[in-house]
Amino acid sequence: ETGVTQTPRHLVMGMTNKKSLKCEQHLGHNAMYWYKQSAKKPLELMFVYSLEERVENNSVPSRFSPECPNSSHLFLHLHTLQPEDSALYLCASSQRTGPTEAFFGQGTRLTVV
Amino acid sequence: SQQGEEDPQALSIQEGENATMNCSYKTSINNLQWYRQNSGRGLVHLILIRSNEREKHSGRLRVTLDTSKKSSSLLITASRAADTASYFCATDASGGSYIPTFGRGTSLIVHP
Repeated sequence: ETGVTQTPRHLVMGMTNKKSLKCEQHLGHNAMYWYKQSAKKPLELMFVYSLEERVENNSVPSRFSPECPNSSHLFLHLHTLQPEDSALYLCASSQRTGPTEAFFGQGTRLTVV
Repeated sequence: SQQGEEDPQALSIQEGENATMNCSYKTSINNLQWYRQNSGRGLVHLILIRSNEREKHSGRLRVTLDTSKKSSSLLITASRAADTASYFCATDASGGSYIPTFGRGTSLIVHP
């Protein structure tokens, strides 16, 4: 266990559904990240929250909506997704006051049908 | 933000052999990190090397960094079947952002 927990581990949803991914860390970190991993593509940074404020958004479509209610929790709200959004979604956390490692959750395998 | 690019994309070796993976990047960095990912799981941190360091060791891992060539290498010595995984380098651009960005990774298969 890395100290970062993602739920659910697997999710199948239709294109008209609304669902949410959850990430929780108990490491005392002040930054949390969402990454998207698709086959044969670089790990894609989606959102970065530092001290609960969004500090980076790499032009992600609005059908992905992040929420960071406190420094330990991060959500990714999903609505009207497309089949090409099927991927492994990874949450990570780190301490953004210096060069330290990022700790990753096990990921949520999302399939959009 | 920039990302590192790993090379080769895939590597297949026999148990006991050494595995070498390379990472190249484009702009100045604060540090470079290597991560490992078992199939369909999260990434696990292996080693961090700072921009003012040239070489670092951790167990069977050896990482080098050449900032003049903007490249790094990860050497796994005496590989084991359990080393089978994907390996990623992560860089963060200098300037204090400390946001790790990743490449496509190198897929390593170690045959028993």
